[in-house]
Amino acid sequence: GAVVSQHPSRVICKSGTSVKIECRSLDFQATTMFWYRQFPKQSLMLMATSNEGSKATYEQGVEKDKFLINHASLTLSTLTVTSAHPEDSSFYICSASGGDTQYFGPGTRLTVL
Amino acid sequence: QQPVQSPQAVILREGEDAVINCSSSKALYSVHWYRQKHGEAPVFLMILLKGGEQKGHDKISASFNEKKQQSSLYLTASQLSYSGTYFCGTAEETSGSRLTFGEGTQLTVNP
Repeated sequence: GAVVSQHPSRVICKSGTSVKIECRSLDFQATTMFWYRQFPKQSLMLMATSNEGSKATYEQGVEKDKFLINHASLTLSTLTVTSAHPEDSSFYICSASGGDTQYFGPGTRLTVL
Repeated sequence: QQPVQSPQAVILREGEDAVINCSSSKALYSVHWYRQKHGEAPVFLMILLKGGEQKGHDKISASFNEKKQQSSLYLTASQLSYSGTYFCGTAEETSGSRLTFGEGTQLTVNP
């Protein structure tokens, strides 16, 4: 149990385009979903917390207009990176929680050219 | 506040034991342990709660000290599959399910 999927696993895009990443909890209802960013050999940096049906809470320094988060149902959250630039290239990971524990998706490797 | 993990890296031979520590300057509500292999997502190992409850793997154990500011993860009779980076994620009383992760401990198990 506790399976979280993420799509796409890998995306390469041109600078200035927008990219949408989906995160789904497959076998449980996630009241809360989290979006993280991870640079090579570094820790997981929380970007935002989203609860179903309400606006996401962003961490300090994360631009909410650039990283749009939608949590429309108890099994789906999306992260849209708008007007992506090369510095946005990173490994983006979502996690889903129905209680105390967070379960992570497999991650999305974003490369912006 | 970000927890401090130690050691930063450890190299073992198969069958040896290891301890990874996670420290916070504040009392915690919970500590979560994850293992991440290169290019993959973190995998949940264990959660320790303030009230003493633990949930997690059979072959991995962990402790939470009395002040609830330090947790240790115990890996006994290590296997090659234990290699990876171990992260602790901590939650304070007021942070709900939001976790702050340490910098990670890189564990390498050699044959």
